[in-house]
Amino acid sequence: GENVEQHPSTLSVQEGDSAVIKCTYSDSASNYFPWYKQELGKRPQLIIDIRSNVGEKKDQRIAVTLNKTAKHFSLHITETQPEDSAVYFCAASKGAQKLVFGQGTRLTINP
Amino acid sequence: NAGVTQTPKFQVLKTGQSMTLQCAQDMNHNSMYWYRQDPGMGLRLIYYSASEGTTDKGEVPNGYNVSRLNKREFSLRLESAAPSQTSVYFCASTGGPATNEKLFFGSGTQLSVL
Repeated sequence: GENVEQHPSTLSVQEGDSAVIKCTYSDSASNYFPWYKQELGKRPQLIIDIRSNVGEKKDQRIAVTLNKTAKHFSLHITETQPEDSAVYFCAASKGAQKLVFGQGTRLTINP
Repeated sequence: NAGVTQTPKFQVLKTGQSMTLQCAQDMNHNSMYWYRQDPGMGLRLIYYSASEGTTDKGEVPNGYNVSRLNKREFSLRLESAAPSQTSVYFCASTGGPATNEKLFFGSGTQLSVL
């Protein structure tokens, strides 16, 4: 089955700098790659997703890139703000069912 | 429109006790899921139901059973709780016309098994 590895497990950046979180997946048939954000004590929420027919997708300060050949995808957050502090999870699946999540990255934005 | 509602929010069990976690969604979604979240391990799928009347195992189904009672409700049962089942449990649903694969999560159940 699918296996998703996420790095780093913790990331600390200065406010205003960029943050990058990387994930690799094992199943070349996976075609859906979402990113979820979980604030402390809250439920995970989808922030951006990408499908295998697209190489990059952007939504304001957040972007995701996908390299199907290398089987990895990354989350990029620019101009980081204190409210970006959270745990971020990547995931991969073949279609809508059975999303497999990475282990999570705890992002801390330092003022 | 409450989204996905889970009960209870907190529960403490003794080893060997049983309990059922309840989940309901009011978004007319077809698919529902149960995940567990453990530190450093992300979210792992326990069971899912692609549509009313069907259920399938996920990554970590051992020790759990599920029931898709109707389109709205999907329950998770621990028949004989073990300390290894101490975790935060999330119910989720997908399948709206405009949201496709987006997972809508409930607020979670923090379960401790002593």
